Amino acid sequence: GAVVSQHPSRVICKSGTSVKIECRSLDFQATTMFWYRQFPKKSLMLMATSNEGSKATYEQGVEKDKFLINHASLTLSTLTVTSAHPEDSSFYICSARDRGLMGYTFGSGTRLTVV
Amino acid sequence: QQQVKQSPQSLIVQKGGIPIINCAYENTAFDYFPWYQQFPGKGPALLIAIRPDVSEKKEGRFTISFNKSAKQFSLHIMDSQPGDSATYFCAASKQGAQKLVFGQGTRLTINP
Repeated sequence: GAVVSQHPSRVICKSGTSVKIECRSLDFQATTMFWYRQFPKKSLMLMATSNEGSKATYEQGVEKDKFLINHASLTLSTLTVTSAHPEDSSFYICSARDRGLMGYTFGSGTRLTVV
Repeated sequence: QQQVKQSPQSLIVQKGGIPIINCAYENTAFDYFPWYQQFPGKGPALLIAIRPDVSEKKEGRFTISFNKSAKQFSLHIMDSQPGDSATYFCAASKQGAQKLVFGQGTRLTINP
């Protein structure tokens, strides 16, 4: 089945630094990838939708200059959290949509801790 | 109209019981209804999905019941096991649209 690999699984960074999270579709081409943020015991909150080769579409209230999304190929999207603050600490999850199917496959998530 | 409302928020069932989780939606344009299972510290994994042209779908111990007129769908887990303890999310999307709309989640605990 479709597999999405997300790295790193855990990252700790200092306030003010930037951190990049990678999301790769391993066995299918993903024309669309999604980035979510999840707070403890809460549902997934969509941050942005990225289409290969074009700019990401951000959800209302998500700072596009803070959360930089790049979808340079059909198998790779990256989320960069810039100038990280402790309040950016969260669980970030990517998802990719198979070009030919309706299904959405999720990565295993990244636990970001900003100290 | 984009919301998917999920209940209950939490559920405790004895091993072997049949937990039932319900979701309701407003947007009649939705035509894809998946259920996801999420363990702590992991991403959601697709369990089963249904389209509105069928009223029921079974995959192993998991069954989706779909009521188009009521705009409701539910997940039943047969012969539940402690390993089924997880958070379950329903979702919905419409063809052509890109977003999945998630329910609020149900934390399921199966006691031995």
